[in-house]
Amino acid sequence: DTEVTQTPKHLVMGMTNKKSLKCEQHMGHRAMYWYKQKAKKPPELMFVYSYEKLSINESVPSRFSPECPNSSLLNLHLHALQPEDSALYLCASSHGPLLFTDTQYFGPGTRLTVL
Amino acid sequence: GENVEQHPSTLSVQEGDSAVIKCTYSDSASNYFPWYKQELGKGPQLIIDIRSNVGEKKDQRIAVTLNKTAKHFSLHITETQPEDSAVYFCAAPSAGSSNTGKLIFGQGTTLQVKP
Repeated sequence: DTEVTQTPKHLVMGMTNKKSLKCEQHMGHRAMYWYKQKAKKPPELMFVYSYEKLSINESVPSRFSPECPNSSLLNLHLHALQPEDSALYLCASSHGPLLFTDTQYFGPGTRLTVL
Repeated sequence: GENVEQHPSTLSVQEGDSAVIKCTYSDSASNYFPWYKQELGKGPQLIIDIRSNVGEKKDQRIAVTLNKTAKHFSLHITETQPEDSAVYFCAAPSAGSSNTGKLIFGQGTTLQVKP
């Protein structure tokens, strides 16, 4: 089973709201990723966790706050977002430890709209 | 840093014809090249990948070829079917990312298979 699940599928929020995106995998993977994807563009890496520790932050604004409570779960906490943050947010996982030859498996994404 | 160029940006073929998408990369140390298919409203799904110890890999109607000297790799889809219609992304490891798992994606190719 190579399934990564994400909730919610769609999220609409105001600029003053606080919300969270959730990602879960049960493949025993120890590396997890958050990507942002704008329409008709490739995914852009935001954060990487390896063995529940933040390994990469691609200079993402602090209004995005990742959290990895355990090896199966990855959250992305959102606060004071801007309309330009509207996008598809994708979670991915790979076996780990981090290797550039490690296959990444993506979830279906959360479609976020910021009003 | 690593750069991945993908061509063409759009491709339209008749059902049953072959489709070829090409990518070039800049980091000669790269040795892992995945291809993802993204259907509308879904996350990217890995369809095939290749590591630099082989020059070609096939999986039914899909094949990937790698030319390390020229630093390019290609996706070949034979006997195309309407369900092959999607956006296809190639990817390569970011330069110096031997322990980060960071992938750089091409800009994507929108493939349309006409019945």
